[in-house]
Amino acid sequence: ETGVTQTPRHLVMGMTNKKSLKCEQHLGHNAMYWYKQSAKKPLELMFVYSLEERVENNSVPSRFSPECPNSSHLFLHLHTLQPEDSALYLCASSQDGTPGYNEQFFGPGTRLTVL
Amino acid sequence: RKEVEQDPGPFNVPEGATVAFNCTYSNSASQSFFWYRQDCRKEPKLLMSVYSSGNEDGRFTAQLNRASQYISLLIRDSKLSDSATYLCVVNPVFSGGYNKLIFGAGTRLAVHP
Repeated sequence: ETGVTQTPRHLVMGMTNKKSLKCEQHLGHNAMYWYKQSAKKPLELMFVYSLEERVENNSVPSRFSPECPNSSHLFLHLHTLQPEDSALYLCASSQDGTPGYNEQFFGPGTRLTVL
Repeated sequence: RKEVEQDPGPFNVPEGATVAFNCTYSNSASQSFFWYRQDCRKEPKLLMSVYSSGNEDGRFTAQLNRASQYISLLIRDSKLSDSATYLCVVNPVFSGGYNKLIFGAGTRLAVHP
């Protein structure tokens, strides 16, 4: 496997379900990100982990809970979601170290539908 | 004012045409800039990084004007495969030990035969 992978690619869940999204990066990067992309809106940054430590939580509701067990893996645990949470959830990684010069590489995303 | 602004388009152009997109950003201290390409229902992919006044990669040229706070992307000899949404991305300031990217909403390009 190369690059950034995400599973599942598609997920349909009810509002009372609990599910988890998984992301794995094979690039040796030290930072990982969760983004949400709703239809016709810019990407919204949700969480950032740098060196396995959460460094940003962008006012995300507590029904989204991230977990970063090591520098290669990132999870997003979901519970009691709302229909408006339906979106494409993208994971990205980057090698941070030099200010301003680190591109982010994205996984294919999980398309989530909340019924 | 939005942090990163782009014309949403769509830009409908024939094959072989030259097309240019502009993007403006609000934070004058921004460090670096990128253009990403996103195909329908796919993830964004890095197209070009813009670190100084600009750079060129084949048919694609990116330019940066720090004084006016805008970035442009020029595509020459458009191909059908260039049809996509082009995202302007700005890295405002390095803070907290990581690089935070701000994404524009994207400009849609449709190239037709």
